[in-house]
Amino acid sequence: GAVVSQHPSRVICKSGTSVKIECRSLDFQATTMFWYRQFPKKSLMLMATSNEGSKATYEQGVEKDKFLINHASLTLSTLTVTSAHPEDSSFYICSARLPVGTDTQYFGPGTRLTVL
Amino acid sequence: AQSVTQPDIHITVSEGASLELRCNYSYGATPYLFWYVQSPGQGLQLLLKYFSGDTLVQGIKGFEAEFKRSQSSFNLRKPSVHWSDAAEYFCALDTDKLIFGTGTRLQVFP
Repeated sequence: GAVVSQHPSRVICKSGTSVKIECRSLDFQATTMFWYRQFPKKSLMLMATSNEGSKATYEQGVEKDKFLINHASLTLSTLTVTSAHPEDSSFYICSARLPVGTDTQYFGPGTRLTVL
Repeated sequence: AQSVTQPDIHITVSEGASLELRCNYSYGATPYLFWYVQSPGQGLQLLLKYFSGDTLVQGIKGFEAEFKRSQSSFNLRKPSVHWSDAAEYFCALDTDKLIFGTGTRLQVFP
């Protein structure tokens, strides 16, 4: 149980284009999902907290207009990197929290974004 | 300030040897603590967690961790390491959002 998927697993795009990454909770409903960014050989940095049906809460320093988050259903959150640039290249990981009775986050397998 | 420190960036052990990965935290209230493992290019897998109760927590893959409030520590242990345990290990503190340590890379030699 508590499986989280991400799609795509890796994507290469040209500078200036937008890329959408999906995060799905496969066997549970997640009222809260999280988006992290991980630089090479570094720890995870929380970008934003995504709550179903409401606006995402962004961490300080994260551009909300650049990293658009939509949590339209209890099983799907999307992260869109708009007008991507090479410095946006990174490993993006989402997680989902079970709705009741636990504070455990379950992580997706990650998406490797490369912007040329 | 809330923080997690993993003092060891890189640890190398021989297969079959015992392992201890250190984790220290700073938090004013009762902590919720986690250990996650990440294989290269993969997401994070939960190894174990501590919320309350018994301070020795058993996890998957033969791992355990001991919560010591007096030392603000939550060290991860395994009595006998397997080559497949080679990965990056993250300790995390939940303060309504997860605060991760910088990770410890474990290398296992045959």
